[in-house]
Amino acid sequence: GQQVMQIPQYQHVQEGEDFTTYCNSSTTLSNIQWYKQRPGGHPVFLIQLVKSGEVKKQKRLTFQFGEAKKNSSLHITATQTTDVGTYFCAGRSGTYKYIFGTGTRLKVLA
Amino acid sequence: DTAVSQTPKYLVTQMGNDKSIKCEQNLGHDTMYWYKQDSKKFLKIMFSYNNKELIINETVPNRFSPKSPDKAHLNLHINSLELGDSAVYFCASSQRLTSGSSADTQYFGPGTRLTVL
Repeated sequence: GQQVMQIPQYQHVQEGEDFTTYCNSSTTLSNIQWYKQRPGGHPVFLIQLVKSGEVKKQKRLTFQFGEAKKNSSLHITATQTTDVGTYFCAGRSGTYKYIFGTGTRLKVLA
Repeated sequence: DTAVSQTPKYLVTQMGNDKSIKCEQNLGHDTMYWYKQDSKKFLKIMFSYNNKELIINETVPNRFSPKSPDKAHLNLHINSLELGDSAVYFCASSQRLTSGSSADTQYFGPGTRLTVL
């Protein structure tokens, strides 16, 4: 079945450093979503990417969808303590079902 | 005004008991989901309903039975609870089923932390 892996599993950064999480699917995706889950909270939608090679920015966050539509990345510039949480990608592949990635847990040290 | 609400927030129960979790959304969405998040934070879809019709039914023990009395509600009943059922269960909704539009955005409830002793 479809699998979506994320690396790294954990990342500790100093405040101000950059952070990147990578999402890799075993199958070609129709589209991909990114969610953020704060500690003790619930996943909150960040963005959706649909087109091959698409790049979208939200302030310090940059999202990319690979040319082959099998991978994606989220890059955060100059992390802040408010960026702490687990970041999930969720890919859809020909069905109505979104498969969530394994998540990357980010800790930001002040 | 909470968009997606779940009750209860916490549920502690003994093995073998039967319990239910309720979910309501006031967003007017057509599609609702149940997800299970285990201790390693993996999020796995369990069920999805579209306009009260079951459309996604993952490999979940048949002790788990979802029920959607109307579009705004999706409840989860669990029979004969086992230790491995301990997890956080999230309900979510999306506007409708599409192929990659903004209507796919999923809105999650606050979660129900189930602990089976």
